[in-house]
Amino acid sequence: SQQGEEDPQALSIQEGENATMNCSYKTSINNLQWYRQNSGRGLVHLILIRSNEREKHSGRLRVTLDTSKKSSSLLITASRAADTASYFCATDSNDYKLSFGAGTTVTVRA
Amino acid sequence: KAGVTQTPRYLIKTRGQQVTLSCSPISGHRSVSWYQQTPGQGLQFLFEYFSETQRNKGNFPGRFSGRQFSNSRSEMNVSTLELGDSALYLCASSYSTGFEKLFFGSGTQLSVL
Repeated sequence: SQQGEEDPQALSIQEGENATMNCSYKTSINNLQWYRQNSGRGLVHLILIRSNEREKHSGRLRVTLDTSKKSSSLLITASRAADTASYFCATDSNDYKLSFGAGTTVTVRA
Repeated sequence: KAGVTQTPRYLIKTRGQQVTLSCSPISGHRSVSWYQQTPGQGLQFLFEYFSETQRNKGNFPGRFSGRQFSNSRSEMNVSTLELGDSALYLCASSYSTGFEKLFFGSGTQLSVL
């Protein structure tokens, strides 16, 4: 079973628009991470937010974390065609593994 | 630095056979973890090794096994293959004992016929 659920499952936006996706998880965490996966390839680490942080920025990425609601959101601003990919949240609960959500598939239309 | 290398990239096997997948982590990384990815189940954790010790194992039958060598390279083995074992198997490595950033290989796509 997976730790996290992501919402929406799929998202289609126009180039230049913002994309927002959400992740909910079940148990207490050490940190939460977001990864990107291009079709059939390995995952690439995007950003990490620790349990004592509320918001983090990296380039066009903004991540928020609400530990009271056990949820996180990832915002990609000014999207580009190259942002077309699947995005996964992953939680570290100090149990020697990352638990991944089901993922959000983002399609950016030119 | 070279990335995480997984071999082979594609594999076709028949039911009942066994398979061994290989993963070479980034130089200096001592933690290697394995994940199975399928369209229906998503990314499922298989096991994690650090300095040749298995620290955690996911909910998979005993047909799935792994090991890590002294040079941190890892292998996973699946015996008596079933159709449901068809998946993308991903290996990831990290430098620290924690899980703050995983570096993934491109995966081995296993098809069981």
